[in-house]
Amino acid sequence: EPEVTQTPSHQVTQMGQEVILRCVPISNHLYFYWYRQILGQKVEFLVSFYNNEISEKSEIFDDQFSVERPDGSNFTLKIRSTKLEDSAMYFCASGPLIRFSVFGPGTRLTVL
Amino acid sequence: TQLLEQSPQFLSIQEGENLTVYCNSSSVFSSLQWYRQEPGEGPVLLVTVVTGGEVKKLKRLTFQFGDARKDSSLHITAAQPGDTGLYLCALRGSSNTGKLIFGQGTTLQVKP
Repeated sequence: EPEVTQTPSHQVTQMGQEVILRCVPISNHLYFYWYRQILGQKVEFLVSFYNNEISEKSEIFDDQFSVERPDGSNFTLKIRSTKLEDSAMYFCASGPLIRFSVFGPGTRLTVL
Repeated sequence: TQLLEQSPQFLSIQEGENLTVYCNSSSVFSSLQWYRQEPGEGPVLLVTVVTGGEVKKLKRLTFQFGDARKDSSLHITAAQPGDTGLYLCALRGSSNTGKLIFGQGTTLQVKP
């Protein structure tokens, strides 16, 4: 069964460093998303991406965040200068339709 | 912004017991999804309910959508240790980008 994959599974970084979280969505999917889940809190929407552009972003998704689909298969989330409060699980999701999303296993980001 | 409230927040029961968890909103929603999330993994879709009063069954899980489409419940019959996990309800945002808005979840522990 096709699945969304994410790398790395765990990323540890120093505050102020740039990180890139990588996702490989399911191949025929058209809609792509990033969510995050701070420990003990709810899953929060960050950004949606369709037709090679951002279709919606949340208040969390400020200028420190960016997304790219560089080669038609990977979907990346970049945080330019990480802060302690960026520590969270980051989930990528993709879907063939707006109303259906498949989530990846997540990347745990720890900012020290 | 439409919010989802889930209750209870935590539930610890013995194997074989029945349980119900709830998801409520102050606003009407067009559809609602239930997900299950295990530690270290992303949310996995269980069901989508669309019609007011709708009841869907998935083995020992029964999902109900309230008549007024402002609430939903998940009932598990004869819970098993494998049912342990975080149960999340979510609705699609009104922006038509596929964004999901999650409740805070119910953490279920089923003890053998």
